[in-house]
Amino acid sequence: QKEVEQNSGPLSVPEGAIASLNCTYSDRVSQSFFWYRQYSGKSPELIMSIYSNGDKEDGRFTAQLNKASQYVSLLIRDSQPSDSATYLCAVSGGSARQLTFGSGTQLTVLP
Amino acid sequence: SQTIHQWPATLVQPVGSPLSLECTVEGTSNPNLYWYRQAAGRGLQLLFYSVGIGQISSEVPQNLSASRPQDRQFILSSKKLLLSDSGFYLCAWRTPHGYTFGSGTRLTVV
Repeated sequence: QKEVEQNSGPLSVPEGAIASLNCTYSDRVSQSFFWYRQYSGKSPELIMSIYSNGDKEDGRFTAQLNKASQYVSLLIRDSQPSDSATYLCAVSGGSARQLTFGSGTQLTVLP
Repeated sequence: SQTIHQWPATLVQPVGSPLSLECTVEGTSNPNLYWYRQAAGRGLQLLFYSVGIGQISSEVPQNLSASRPQDRQFILSSKKLLLSDSGFYLCAWRTPHGYTFGSGTRLTVV
């Protein structure tokens, strides 16, 4: 059974701070890793993908992958109230490369 | 352009009634398609996936079925809905850049 674990939160940070979201996965052969943002009542929106060990930066977002530790993280710099959402970690594997999702971390950025 | 469409947006159905949710993609051919369900306050659970016409794989045994009658069409069905079928149903499509979700159908079974 493939598992993806996230800190359930909720996580609150002040505006302008760094938000750190963590995720671990159980399937060692997983190759692709994704972070989705989901606003209440909406469908998930892809914000970052990462495929190799190390850091990947895109604007205020940085994804970090450590395959040896089976660990993925997302850093959000200069957090804004508009970043308040649930963040879902997803890992791709299987014959159709289907995604397995964590339960999500709810982030609130306080003005 | 490549887009994914899902309808209806909301649905209220009585217990025991049938269900049909449709998902279509545009701007691509032979896509991998997926149906997920999200219960209130929970993560996404994979229900079905399809790698081609007529090819359906089920991840969780339950009261639902899926079909792929055309290359870019994926349908989720039920003959008789249960209260436990309530949730947010999402269709997804694997693109070269990641997975894109439709806007979802919020189903309430009453």
